[in-house]
Amino acid sequence: KQEVTQIPAALSVPEGENLVLNCSFTDSAIYNLQWFRQDPGKGLTSLLLIQSSQREQTSGRLNASLDKSSGRSTLYIAASQPGDSATYLCAVNQGGKLIFGQGTELSVKP
Amino acid sequence: DTAVSQTPKYLVTQMGNDKSIKCEQNLGHDTMYWYKQDSKKFLKIMFSYNNKELIINETVPNRFSPKSPDKAHLNLHINSLELGDSAVYFCASSQGEAYGYTFGSGTRLTVV
Repeated sequence: KQEVTQIPAALSVPEGENLVLNCSFTDSAIYNLQWFRQDPGKGLTSLLLIQSSQREQTSGRLNASLDKSSGRSTLYIAASQPGDSATYLCAVNQGGKLIFGQGTELSVKP
Repeated sequence: DTAVSQTPKYLVTQMGNDKSIKCEQNLGHDTMYWYKQDSKKFLKIMFSYNNKELIINETVPNRFSPKSPDKAHLNLHINSLELGDSAVYFCASSQGEAYGYTFGSGTRLTVV
């Protein structure tokens, strides 16, 4: 059974720092992996989608990597801003569904 | 233009009532889903439909009944609501397994 774990559960950093969020999964037989952002009381916004054949994807200050064989993905956020404060969710696509981690709650202090 | 829209956004109801949540997507995707986010913010799939056909039913009580009148709509009807049904319910759609998912903004259901 696929399990997705995100570390840390919560992270507080000062503005301007570069940071890394971690996601691990137990079964490497995935189609792809998707990172989302969820603001309090809001829906999920897709940030990056990495196919199983890819190693990384970039969008602006965000870079996501995927090492399928070791069951790991990282989301790198460069030059963090207070507006980046949100919960970041990692989800693997397997068996026709997304399986989510518990999320990392990020707070960026001005 | 809202890609995946859900109504209502908030729903407060008493135990034992029956309620429905509606979802519509204008992305032309073939597959739609219902996910439940519990009080600990954990998201888990409930159902998926592909072109009006039920594909996944993830051990959900049969008080929950999804209905897909066409591939752009997936509604969720809940009978005999219980306190434990209180959660945020998200609708999502995807073009297929190799593609990303697009989520709606969620329906916060509170059973009192």
